[in-house]
Amino acid sequence: DAGVIQSPRHEVTEMGQEVTLRCKPISGHDYLFWYRQTMMRGLELLIYFNNNVPIDDSGMPEDRFSAKMPNASFSTLKIQPSEPRDSAVYFCASSLNQGAGQPQHFGDGTRLSIL
Amino acid sequence: GDSVTQMEGPVTLSEEAFLTINCTYTATGYPSLFWYVQYPGEGLQLLLKATKADDKGSNKGFEATYRKETTSFHLEKGSVQVSDSAVYFCALLHTGANSKLTFGKGITLSVRP
Repeated sequence: DAGVIQSPRHEVTEMGQEVTLRCKPISGHDYLFWYRQTMMRGLELLIYFNNNVPIDDSGMPEDRFSAKMPNASFSTLKIQPSEPRDSAVYFCASSLNQGAGQPQHFGDGTRLSIL
Repeated sequence: GDSVTQMEGPVTLSEEAFLTINCTYTATGYPSLFWYVQYPGEGLQLLLKATKADDKGSNKGFEATYRKETTSFHLEKGSVQVSDSAVYFCALLHTGANSKLTFGKGITLSVRP
């Protein structure tokens, strides 16, 4: 079975440019999560969706960040304009539901570098 | 609110050594508990889990027991291998539509040949 698929795997761009990260969750999973991982701050939850509806975006750093889930098989995280401090690894994860013991399945991440 | 505390790292061991990574949590009720592992350049993978008190999760020689009385979920392995070198995260999840996975800070394990 295919896992969570993220693209691109690596992105290098200049400050001020728009960046779009993409995620395809595991088919049939109702929940989708976006995380950011840095050495300084560790793993941070940015936003999550339930059945394509954003439930909690309190972790989104600022208005430059936005996320959408237009359908059950696709989500995007957009940064506009990008800044060097946005450099991090961004992970997407999905889960079947939030029942007892239900794990989240992570993609391999997008390593973002803003110059 | 919920929180997960992991022992400070990094940890460096020789191959075939015994491993213990401590994890304690603060939460109401009976959350599910997880250990995730992150190999270099990859995303987090579920290593094992437990959903109720005294449950033991196990996988790939790793074990952890859900201890309600000490609010702990320590990870153990009897004989580590070089291939176990990775970052290990302890996490908890309450059931419910709007609950979020709470992670510890993670600990880096390096195993020497």
